[in-house]
Order: sequence, then C-alpha cells, then structure tokens
Amino acid sequence: GNSVTQMEGPVTLSEEAFLTINCTYTATGYPSLFWYVQYPGEGLQLLLKATKADDKGSNKGFEATYRKETTSFHLEKGSVQVSDSAVYFCALSDPLRGNNRLAFGKGNQVVVIP
Amino acid sequence: EPEVTQTPSHQVTQMGQEVILRCVPISNHLYFYWYRQILGQKVEFLVSFYNNEISEKSEIFDDQFSVERPDGSNFTLKIRSTKLEDSAMYFCALRASSTTDTQYFGPGTRLTVL
Repeated sequence: GNSVTQMEGPVTLSEEAFLTINCTYTATGYPSLFWYVQYPGEGLQLLLKATKADDKGSNKGFEATYRKETTSFHLEKGSVQVSDSAVYFCALSDPLRGNNRLAFGKGNQVVVIP
Repeated sequence: EPEVTQTPSHQVTQMGQEVILRCVPISNHLYFYWYRQILGQKVEFLVSFYNNEISEKSEIFDDQFSVERPDGSNFTLKIRSTKLEDSAMYFCALRASSTTDTQYFGPGTRLTVL
C-alpha cells in the first residue's frame, strides 16, 4: 500500500539557518506529493505540491522536488524565520485511487529559535 | 484557497454519548473527506464522500461512524457511542473536482471523550 516516511524527531534550529526535512514514500502508482503545515492551534494548510517526477513545488521560500528515482520529496528552506515554527507533514495522493485519499507521514515539529 | 469551517471547535463528551461534527464548505466542492489525528500521531484517513454516498472508508470507520450531507451544504460526521480512544482532532477536507487532487482542510474539531 501507499505510505510516507518522515525523519524522526523534532527539528530545532536558529533563525536564518537552512532547513531540510526528509520525506520518502512508497506507492504503487504515480502519486502526487504534498507538504502541509500545521501552525500551533490551527488546522492543516497546504504548503506546496508536485504532481509528477522532477516537478518542484515552492511557496513562502520553501521548496521540494519530486524525485522518482529516490522516491523522495524533501522539504527545504534556505533561511528560516521564527514564524516558520510549526509541524510539517508530507503526504501523498494516488490518482489511481479514484477518491484520492491522502496518506500522511508522522510530521516533524520545527522550532526556530531567535 | 477555499474556506472551510468546522463546528464546534472543541467538543467534550462522556463515553457512550453521540457526537456530531460539522463541516461547512464556503464554496462548491464535489468530494468530501474526514481525517483524524490522535495526539502525537499521524493524520489518518477515515472516509471519503462523493455524490451523496461513501466512496471509500478506512478500517477505522466502523459501524459507530456515519457521514451525511443532509441539506446539500453541511457535511457531518456522527459517532454513535463514543469511546475514550475516539479522542482526537477531526479534520474535514474538500476537493473541488475530479480534475484536481488537492484537498483543503478545515481548522478541525478537538473531540475529548471522558
């Protein structure tokens, strides 16, 4: 079945540091890939997406490239701000499944220290 | 990004009681979903709903759960007899049409079963 794996543990870094959150996936078809962000006390917000191999999704300074050869969709940001502190979820949607249910990773808590 | 509201934002109930969680899409959508997130765990798919019927459900979605869209607007999730382990955040998500795979999430309802 489809699944998403995110690196273990919270991520703590200083303001203006480089952020990477790893995400790998297992899928039977050709999934679309997403990053969602959950700010404290809020719901899930779509951050970016990519629908096919080598596509790059980007938004708010965050980027992720759909790598079919390594089945990965790592999230990166060159210079984080305190306001980026949140939980980040990688997810996939398999279009071969007509209902496009999303499969999520466990999420990574990111804490940015001033 | 489409607006989705959910009510209530927080529900506290006694074990064995029935609860109804509501999702109100602001704009027209065809596909509706419920997900839940137990504290500290993954976001999990519960059920998808299209054309006024369930199109897919997970193993979590047993006979205690039901969904409906009674007035063509609100989309509801009912839990007939709540259990302690039903305590979680419940998220509604919407997808506009079959030509997009992007789901937009509501802010969630926190259900606490005592």
